[in-house]
Amino acid sequence: GAGVSQSPRYKVAKRGQDVALRCDPISGHVSLFWYQQALGQGPEFLTYFQNEAQLDKSGLPSDRFFAERPEGSVSTLKIQRTQQEDSAVYLCASSLRGSLYEQYFGPGTRLTVT
Amino acid sequence: SQQGEEDPQALSIQEGENATMNCSYKTSINNLQWYRQNSGRGLVHLILIRSNEREKHSGRLRVTLDTSKKSSSLLITASRAADTASYFCATAYTGGFKTIFGAGTRLFVKA
Repeated sequence: GAGVSQSPRYKVAKRGQDVALRCDPISGHVSLFWYQQALGQGPEFLTYFQNEAQLDKSGLPSDRFFAERPEGSVSTLKIQRTQQEDSAVYLCASSLRGSLYEQYFGPGTRLTVT
Repeated sequence: SQQGEEDPQALSIQEGENATMNCSYKTSINNLQWYRQNSGRGLVHLILIRSNEREKHSGRLRVTLDTSKKSSSLLITASRAADTASYFCATAYTGGFKTIFGAGTRLFVKA
């Protein structure tokens, strides 16, 4: 079946704009993760959903970051009032159940804040 | 804030040679996973080893886990130019939902 998809693949935002990044996980995967990856670094955990419940949001860097998964499938990561330091690749991953199973990653959204 | 640390940071070898990458972590884990990332692409899962396992094989990949030393190694045998990528270890620690990635090892295999 189809893998994890993310849209848009690239986003350029002016400082102060709001952005919304979308993730379509693999059908039937209970768990969904969001990560932020800076150039040359490993992915940094942002938040975790189990179905529609956001069980861990400890990695969100500020209250400008908000994620939701209202029906337990598609998820949106929203960043309000973007700052230059938000420039990164945002990766979404899904798994059958939590971190006990392998995660399947989407291609990522590259966000550039100018 | 990343928990895992990989070493070396970069590795350059000739095609046909073996490549070994190491990963260390800090707290108790449920499992440890290795991922590969080609330039500009998403991550691809390679292998998962659970905390009660010591060694696992998958094709040309061999992973070991030493929970007493809180370390793991990934061995790629008979490397190919197509193995050129960044390799990350990721730990799922007990009592939480996070997966913590290291900074990665950049492997370059020369043809």
